[in-house]
Amino acid sequence: AQSVTQLDSHVSVSEGTPVLLRCNYSSSYSPSLFWYVQHPNKGLQLLLKYTSAATLVKGINGFEAEFKKSETSFHLTKPSAHMSDAAEYFCVVTRANFGNEKLTFGTGTRLTIIP
Amino acid sequence: EPEVTQTPSHQVTQMGQEVILRCVPISNHLYFYWYRQILGQKVEFLVSFYNNEISEKSEIFDDQFSVERPDGSNFTLKIRSTKLEDSAMYFCATSRGYNEQFFGPGTRLTVL
Repeated sequence: AQSVTQLDSHVSVSEGTPVLLRCNYSSSYSPSLFWYVQHPNKGLQLLLKYTSAATLVKGINGFEAEFKKSETSFHLTKPSAHMSDAAEYFCVVTRANFGNEKLTFGTGTRLTIIP
Repeated sequence: EPEVTQTPSHQVTQMGQEVILRCVPISNHLYFYWYRQILGQKVEFLVSFYNNEISEKSEIFDDQFSVERPDGSNFTLKIRSTKLEDSAMYFCATSRGYNEQFFGPGTRLTVL
């Protein structure tokens, strides 16, 4: 069994300041972890993924996430927020290296950027 | 860059009617999935499909739901008799395997 807890339902930051979106996971297996972003009225876009290689993962648009097994965390960060980052962000877990495994989503964090 | 497409983008139907949601996967992908997102809630897994069979389904995926790949390209989700609570955004996702799933833009289903 696996689950994801996104610790903040809503985060607001000022443009140009750092972003931190928190995610903790639980998994009976070695996990693969993802962050997806959903802009208003749009589909789900993959930001980045961890699949048991490097623990610091770089994604698109300047986002990064660090897999910390001891803390069962996979927090998403960005050094400097941009207005276009305003969206809903989902942390996702699945079973690593398993060909046909479903994704389990967190409840999402809505990121608001203050001009 | 290849992408998953879904039609229609928005479907409005009356309660009790049948709907079919369509997805065109990325051409070399073998694994197919449907997820749904009720407004304001998280994305939930419905069903996975591989080699013309259902691999796994959730509790949501009851007898009113079915999936098929009728012509080797489209992947469809059918809801036989829609209920008000079926109103949601339905996402198709496809994969070559080993975790990374590519999502379509979604179909917004509204049941009146």
